[in-house]
Formats: sequence, C-alpha cells, structure tokens
Amino acid sequence: SAVISQKPSRDICQRGTSLTIQCQVDSQVTMMFWYRQQPGQSLTLIATANQGSEATYESGFVIDKFPISRPNLTFSTLTVSNMSPEDSSIYLCSVLTGRELFFGEGSRLTVL
Amino acid sequence: GQQVMQIPQYQHVQEGEDFTTYCNSSTTLSNIQWYKQRPGGHPVFLIQLVKSGEVKKQKRLTFQFGEAKKNSSLHITATQTTDVGTYFCAGGTSYGKLTFGQGTILTVHP
Repeated sequence: SAVISQKPSRDICQRGTSLTIQCQVDSQVTMMFWYRQQPGQSLTLIATANQGSEATYESGFVIDKFPISRPNLTFSTLTVSNMSPEDSSIYLCSVLTGRELFFGEGSRLTVL
Repeated sequence: GQQVMQIPQYQHVQEGEDFTTYCNSSTTLSNIQWYKQRPGGHPVFLIQLVKSGEVKKQKRLTFQFGEAKKNSSLHITATQTTDVGTYFCAGGTSYGKLTFGQGTILTVHP
C-alpha cells in the first residue's frame, strides 16, 4: 500500500495565476501519475511523472500548461499555469504499487 | 485512442435491491480494475481482473471480466446505504496506463 499526502487540499485562485500542487508518498515508487477530475466527471490522466526525466503527457495536455517535477521517487509537483475558470477541477496524484493505483485526497481548485 | 464506456450513468435503488454497472472497452484490455469513490472522497481500489472470463467475489460484490477481455461488470447484491458512491471501471494496458470509464453514481434509498 501507499499513503499519499497532497497539498493544498483546496484553493481558490484568480484567473491568470499559477498554482503548484505537491504530492508526497510514504515510500519510493516508480510510477506516479497526475489525474484531473472535473466536477461530476471521470478521471482523466494528465501525465506520467518520470523520475529524473521529463513527464510524459497525454493527448490534450502540454508541458507549458501543466509543468511537472519529479525530483525523487517519493515526491512530485504539478503546476497549473495561467489558470482560467475551465481549470476548476480536482487534481489527483496517484501511484502504482503492484497492481493497485493509490490516490491522494486530491486538490480541489476553483478559478474565479 | 482507447475508450472505456460505462453504463448506466446513474442508478437509484431501494436498500436491499441489486445493482449492476457495465463497462465496455473499444480495445482488448490487459486487465480491468474497479474503483469506488465516496462523495467528497478519492477513488479507492476495489479489485483487478486479468484473465479472460474471470469472476471474483468480495462479499456482496461480484466482478466479471468478459471472454474477449473488452467488457466487465460489477454486481452488488442486496445494496446497503454504505454502498453509496461512484463506481469506476478502468481499463489497463500492459504498461500500467489506466483509462477510466465515466462512472456510475449509485444512490441507495433506505
């Protein structure tokens, strides 16, 4: 299993600003992912955070908008840049241990 | 790209009734996983199915993986109010990437 601490848990942001979300895992993991869950919607994979190299982004997501850092095997950050109201969502960090995907509690962002 | 469709989107049942959600993938899956998300919470892993035609049970929950490894179902017998939440299926590839279905929101009326 894995325990994931994610912060902030929620924030209200102004249009045009950027916010960085932190994800800390209690053990070393190879596979770490960032998901977005828009209100009432399913989970969409933003990117895979690779340790020591650039993140791998899914279609529709780009590094300039969602820069990701992965300095070591227990920590990652996701920045939501130049935010607009369409970025209002829950952002979830997750890690793959064995066959299970463990999720953090999520960061609920509201952009005004 | 891979698409995973899940139905129904909503299901309202009386406590004690059964509930089933269905998942269908556009491509053959390496595995399928099921998650439950309580209102206001984060998704929690329930189970993974890997083998063609596999059936697994967890108390009142029965999970099936189709013979072609493109569809799956979750059946809950005699629902309880604690079963309330959104149930997601997620189709897995051999390299660990998951594609989530839209989820089925289950409401259980006491």
